[in-house]
Amino acid sequence: GENVEQHPSTLSVQEGDSAVIKCTYSDSASNYFPWYKQELGKGPQLIIDIRSNVGEKKDQRIAVTLNKTAKHFSLHITETQPEDSAVYFCAASDNNNDMRFGAGTRLTVKP
Amino acid sequence: KAGVTQTPRYLIKTRGQQVTLSCSPISGHRSVSWYQQTPGQGLQFLFEYFSETQRNKGNFPGRFSGRQFSNSRSEMNVSTLELGDSALYLCASSFLGRHNEQFFGPGTRLTVL
Repeated sequence: GENVEQHPSTLSVQEGDSAVIKCTYSDSASNYFPWYKQELGKGPQLIIDIRSNVGEKKDQRIAVTLNKTAKHFSLHITETQPEDSAVYFCAASDNNNDMRFGAGTRLTVKP
Repeated sequence: KAGVTQTPRYLIKTRGQQVTLSCSPISGHRSVSWYQQTPGQGLQFLFEYFSETQRNKGNFPGRFSGRQFSNSRSEMNVSTLELGDSALYLCASSFLGRHNEQFFGPGTRLTVL
């Protein structure tokens, strides 16, 4: 089955800097890659996703890139703000109705 | 559209008791998945219901069960609670299924004493 590894587990950046979180997956059949942001006391919120027929997707300060050959995808947050502080999860799924999550990255943005 | 709602938000039980958690998905979504979230294990998949049928099941003991009603609302039951069942239980709703876009509720924080 699918296995998703996420790095780093914790990330601390200065406000205004960029943050990058990387995930690798094992199943070459995976074709959908969402990213979730979980703030304290809340459920995960879908912030961006990408499908295997696209290499990059951007939404304001957030972007996701996908390298199918290397089986890895990354979340990029530019111009970080204190409200970006949260735990971020990546996930990968295929058409067999299976979705696996990474272990999460705790991002801290210092003002 | 209203988001996913879960009740109750917090629950304290003692070992050996049973508990029922409820989840109301986004209107029009037929898929409801349940996850257990703990600091050490991350997000662990419990099961998915789609149009009242269990479509997938994770690797949890039979003490964990669920069901889905005709209005897509879902309940999860845990019998004979153990200390290790203390966790945040999340449900997620989806139009197509958990292999696609999922929208999570706020979770139910269960503490077993």
